[in-house]
Amino acid sequence: QLQLQESGPGLVKPSETLSLTCTVSGGSISSSNYYWGWIRQPPGKGLEWIGSISYSGTLYYNPSLKSRVPIYADPSKNQFSLRLNSVTAADTAVYFCARHVRHITIFGLLMEGYFDYWGQGILVTVSS
Amino acid sequence: QAVLTQPSSLSASPGASASLTCTLRSGINVGTYRIYWYQQKPGSPPQYLLSYTSDSDNHQGSGVPSRFSGSKDASANAGILLISGLQSEDEADYYCMIWHNSASVFGGGSKLTVL
Repeated sequence: QLQLQESGPGLVKPSETLSLTCTVSGGSISSSNYYWGWIRQPPGKGLEWIGSISYSGTLYYNPSLKSRVPIYADPSKNQFSLRLNSVTAADTAVYFCARHVRHITIFGLLMEGYFDYWGQGILVTVSS
Repeated sequence: QAVLTQPSSLSASPGASASLTCTLRSGINVGTYRIYWYQQKPGSPPQYLLSYTSDSDNHQGSGVPSRFSGSKDASANAGILLISGLQSEDEADYYCMIWHNSASVFGGGSKLTVL
């Protein structure tokens, strides 16, 4: 059974950098059939996709966050990571990592797909 | 205007059917998109339910009952999640999603109350 687990600080000061890691167990991130995504959810609000990365480093970002959110994959550790720069109170949210299953069509693998396995999420609060 | 608009809440009775809509912004044609649906219960991550492009191109999530189904209303430019035979356990938040310009976009979510 595939499992994903987010880790990182629960409290970050404004203007600092938030770093989160997702550790995948029960399967390898090194498959071209999948990307690995980050999604966040402010308290009491809806879902916002942050970005998705392949094991080889192919990246897709939410254009509204792109300049602030490097995402990395480390196949040797079966992990992928998120760094959110210059955080503000608006970045307070539960951060989820998830497996992004790419659709397979007669034309080949698509970038788009669905998020099937999710971590439990980690609440990150931005406050001084 | 948001890319995807969902009613904030709806309610239905046990055993009845519920139709959740996801309206795409004007200029974004629902006919060319695959609509994804997720269910989220309090304190839990979202669960993928299904995706729908057409009756011949759709995908049911693993273990998702067949009483969850997708469709589209082209006249309303909307995707629809239909839940039949409502059960109390279906009470949750439901989110639609599309991929638009290689970016995932979620709707604001609909809270379904079963009462």
